[in-house]
Amino acid sequence: SQKIEQNSEALNIQEGKTATLTCNYTNYSPAYLQWYRQDPGRGPVFLLLIRENEKEKRKERLKVTFDTTLKQSLFHITASQPADSATYLCALDMFSGGYNKLIFGAGTRLAVHP
Amino acid sequence: EAQVTQNPRYLITVTGKKLTVTCSQNMNHEYMSWYRQDPGLGLRQIYYSMNVEVTDKGDVPEGYKVSRKEKRNFPLILESPSPNQTSLYFCASSSRDSGNTIYFGEGSWLTVV
Repeated sequence: SQKIEQNSEALNIQEGKTATLTCNYTNYSPAYLQWYRQDPGRGPVFLLLIRENEKEKRKERLKVTFDTTLKQSLFHITASQPADSATYLCALDMFSGGYNKLIFGAGTRLAVHP
Repeated sequence: EAQVTQNPRYLITVTGKKLTVTCSQNMNHEYMSWYRQDPGLGLRQIYYSMNVEVTDKGDVPEGYKVSRKEKRNFPLILESPSPNQTSLYFCASSSRDSGNTIYFGEGSWLTVV
């Protein structure tokens, strides 16, 4: 079955630096890959979606890459701020039978220090 | 405002006492689903629904029931809760028109003692 690996250790970085989070998966590549942000005690919030035929997607300070050969997605936050501190979830979108079934990773916690 | 609303947000219950967690969305989404989130395991899908009266099992359906009598509502039923169902539960909705984006509720913390 499909497995997703995100770094379980928290990522600590200094304000202003670029944060890079990794999402690795096994088996077959999904049609889409999504990234969500989750704050403590809150529901995940959608950030970005990237399709299998796209190499890179940007949104303001966020950038996602998708390498189907390496079976990996990288999530970058440039000029990071303390407000970016949260857990970031990677999700594989396994479109099947007319339904977009998401398989989530366990998430990586990011802490941005002033 | 687009919302997925779940209740209760916090609940402590005893083993075997039936409970229902309600979920309602105001976006006219056809897809709804329930997830549970446990430390180190990520979000795991319990049940999903592709439309009214259409439901199917997700990855961890044992011990749960759902129904979809109306498009906006998708309650999660625990007929006989057990301590291993202590978890954080999320309801979610999506639509083809929402570009595959999933909208999550705020979560329901459930403790079964």
